[in-house]
Amino acid sequence: SYELTQPPSVSVSPGQTARVTCSGDGLPKQYAYWYQQVPGQAPVLVIYKDTERPSGIPARFSGFRSGSTVTLIISGVQAEDEADYYCQSVDSTSNDVIFGGGTKLTVL
Amino acid sequence: QVQLVQSGAEVMQPGASVKVSCKASGYTFTSYAVYWVRQAPGQRLEWMGWINPGSGNTRYSQKFQGRISITGDPSASTAYMELTSLRSEDTAVYYCARLDYSYGSFDFWGQGTLVTVSS
Repeated sequence: SYELTQPPSVSVSPGQTARVTCSGDGLPKQYAYWYQQVPGQAPVLVIYKDTERPSGIPARFSGFRSGSTVTLIISGVQAEDEADYYCQSVDSTSNDVIFGGGTKLTVL
Repeated sequence: QVQLVQSGAEVMQPGASVKVSCKASGYTFTSYAVYWVRQAPGQRLEWMGWINPGSGNTRYSQKFQGRISITGDPSASTAYMELTSLRSEDTAVYYCARLDYSYGSFDFWGQGTLVTVSS
């Protein structure tokens, strides 16, 4: 399986826009998904199929894709958005599920 | 509402086996695959395997082949994950998650089960 690479940390002030990237050679062939995980809690799906937002997820969460990089965008960041964010995809050769290393979003 | 409720924390000796359960409610258990994902302290999420409860078909990550068994009991709406020959590196929180086919991703997760392997 290939790897998904995320920056270890991103910091933004409240009200600013946070961008979390995820890159991998296999990404052009498969959708990407994003999960928010508050420490001590289970992950929550915030973006599916690159750009789609599940019901109940605030509109400030969006996704963007460009080639082998996908980006989670959080506009107007709020204190409650402070969490770890993981991208996930599937290796099209092996059908293995792959997770990125996670990005800790800090709201200053 | 959809819920996945997992069994409680376990402390195991090296070399032992652990079996974690995941009871589903609020949906038709046999209509969605159940995946198992673990997270070691400070580490990324790691896929372990899945089961289609309707057919009983399973697939495992190569990393755990030979040590993992995932089963399902449709009459109890419960999936199980058993991991054998435990070692300290298996200390982690183990999650079950439902795969939503329309999303293509995990829309509901269990609360997690901490398994500690220590002598």
